[in-house]
Amino acid sequence: DTGVSQNPRHKITKRGQNVTFRCDPISEHNRLYWYRQTLGQGPEFLTYFQNEAQLEKSRLLSDRFSAERPKGSFSTLEIQRTEQGDSAMYLCASRVGTGGWDEQFFGPGTRLTVL
Amino acid sequence: GQQVMQIPQYQHVQEGEDFTTYCNSSTTLSNIQWYKQRPGGHPVFLIQLVKSGEVKKQKRLTFQFGEAKKNSSLHITATQTTDVGTYFCAGISNFGNEKLTFGTGTRLTIIP
Repeated sequence: DTGVSQNPRHKITKRGQNVTFRCDPISEHNRLYWYRQTLGQGPEFLTYFQNEAQLEKSRLLSDRFSAERPKGSFSTLEIQRTEQGDSAMYLCASRVGTGGWDEQFFGPGTRLTVL
Repeated sequence: GQQVMQIPQYQHVQEGEDFTTYCNSSTTLSNIQWYKQRPGGHPVFLIQLVKSGEVKKQKRLTFQFGEAKKNSSLHITATQTTDVGTYFCAGISNFGNEKLTFGTGTRLTIIP
């Protein structure tokens, strides 16, 4: 499978715990994006990477959230001290990123439930 | 901040009827994309529009970008059960901007 993959697909955690999600983009894609989607809403931009550099972060991304993309390949999104309001689908997307905007490919998402 | 609204929020149509969803941005867009998300699935790219007044067709789907580049529409002719899902528009406000702002989505259900 040469698409975007995300792990785990589902995560249930207790409030206050830390969680980490992983995204493996399509191999030649240098742009990687994280989104959050709650029920009945469209995806909301969280942050994006160009290769290993994190170039933009949304104001939605509080200090409890951190993302990395070491070596410009896979990316991780960590949420510290989870809150019930963090419950959502976390989507990763990637694109080639040369010569203007092109198609973004989304992964299947990680569904987080905070109890 | 930029807001992208879509109407209607929900649409139920008989199979074979046409369907249209409208997308409106609070700011001028450099380009707009459309995505389809099946129930339980992830967004899948459909198309990108860049030019003012642009119209693109994909089989039964017709996409339009407004002259002022602040609105767009997706029209499906003769809907089929495979068209079920939520359709999102997503706008980019400035050339070179990496932030894609998604609309609120229109959920389409088909009555067989």
